[in-house]
Amino acid sequence: NAGVMQNPRHLVRRRGQEARLRCSPMKGHSHVYWYRQLPEEGLKFMVYLQKENIIDESGMPKERFSAEFPKEGPSILRIQQVVRGDSAAYFCASSPAPQGGQGQQFFGPGTRLTVL
Amino acid sequence: GENVEQHPSTLSVQEGDSAVIKCTYSDSASNYFPWYKQELGKGPQLIIDIRSNVGEKKDQRIAVTLNKTAKHFSLHITETQPEDSAVYFCAASLRYSTLTFGKGTMLLVSP
Repeated sequence: NAGVMQNPRHLVRRRGQEARLRCSPMKGHSHVYWYRQLPEEGLKFMVYLQKENIIDESGMPKERFSAEFPKEGPSILRIQQVVRGDSAAYFCASSPAPQGGQGQQFFGPGTRLTVL
Repeated sequence: GENVEQHPSTLSVQEGDSAVIKCTYSDSASNYFPWYKQELGKGPQLIIDIRSNVGEKKDQRIAVTLNKTAKHFSLHITETQPEDSAVYFCAASLRYSTLTFGKGTMLLVSP
């Protein structure tokens, strides 16, 4: 049973370019979360999605960042016009439908974005 | 919103010793507290979790305790081994399943 998959594992972009990060949840999981980790920091929540729905995007910057989880295919985190401050590790987690508001989250290996 | 504080930031122990990492949270409505282990270059791995209707949970060498009144929870690792060396994160869940993480503890177990 494959775990959470993310690709690419490493992504290098120049300032002003677009970055697309992909996440395939574990089989049977319908909830996806994106987190960002800056060097020597904890993980910061960005966005929580179900299929075709954004449930909570309170942690995502209002500009340049967007996320989707279509009916078919992986979840995508998109960063437009990247800046050096976007350099970080981006992790995706998935969970089954939460029971009583909580579901165990399992993380992927992350995408390390470097902006030159 | 929720705020999670984690201490210490680094912890060095000798193989075989016990290690304790402590976290406090701010929002009394939080009711789910997982712990993750992150090795260099990898994603966080869930190692144990506890819900607010339980005071203690144990899984082999790892245990977690929760004090809801004081709003703090701790990770205990007994008989540490070099392969326990990693960064450990605590987290708390306030709404839905979104997690608020502490800043992490780097655990170094020396042979």
